[in-house]
Amino acid sequence: DIKMTQSPSTLSASVGDRVTITCRASQSVSRWLAWYQQKPGKAPELLIYKMSPELVGVPLSGVPSRFSGTASGTEFTLTISSLQPDDFATYFCQQYESFPWTFGQGTKLEIK
Amino acid sequence: QVQLQESGPGLVKPSQTLSLTCTVSGGSISSGYEYWSWIRQPAGKGLEWIGRIYSRGSTNYNPSLERRVSISMDTSKNQFSLRLSSVTDADTAVYYCAKQLNVEEFYYAMEVWGQGATVTVSS
Repeated sequence: DIKMTQSPSTLSASVGDRVTITCRASQSVSRWLAWYQQKPGKAPELLIYKMSPELVGVPLSGVPSRFSGTASGTEFTLTISSLQPDDFATYFCQQYESFPWTFGQGTKLEIK
Repeated sequence: QVQLQESGPGLVKPSQTLSLTCTVSGGSISSGYEYWSWIRQPAGKGLEWIGRIYSRGSTNYNPSLERRVSISMDTSKNQFSLRLSSVTDADTAVYYCAKQLNVEEFYYAMEVWGQGATVTVSS
């Protein structure tokens, strides 16, 4: 199985901050990496559904532009450019390059 | 817009079979070319992909669960289902059904999710 490792596990930040979450794959997942946001008691919501050939995250239609992603080898980042109150949640990465699809353990974004 | 809703028993005894159904609304489960998945999440933990079924009936399963899991479709009811046999308390989790994003018949991550069904394994 491909292991996905996220860092940090917890991130404390304030409204307006720029934050970056990292996800590292144990082997190549090519461009097949997604990012989700999950709020307590809710299902995950898809934010970025793949990496483009230019190694930039492709957001699902309707996702605010403050969410962006990049890729470099087996390392992927999700950046929120200016945190909004609604962004405090847990974020997961997921690879779907090969079965079984696997998720990172999650990064909880907390209000400082 | 497709919507998904999980249903099934919230309590299952150890060694028995967990059965959940995902009802699809806003679209036909079999008229297009779609992939439908099950994912679970133990309380306070991460997500585990269980498996998926294609609208034409083929399946893929997580090898860690493959001996115990079966995913099927009922096109007459516009539903797909999960069966997980020989459950233990390690199978206690919120179970989600989901649909993959389909862009011009390329399939990507899971775009539409149900709200989740909590299943507890306990005697």
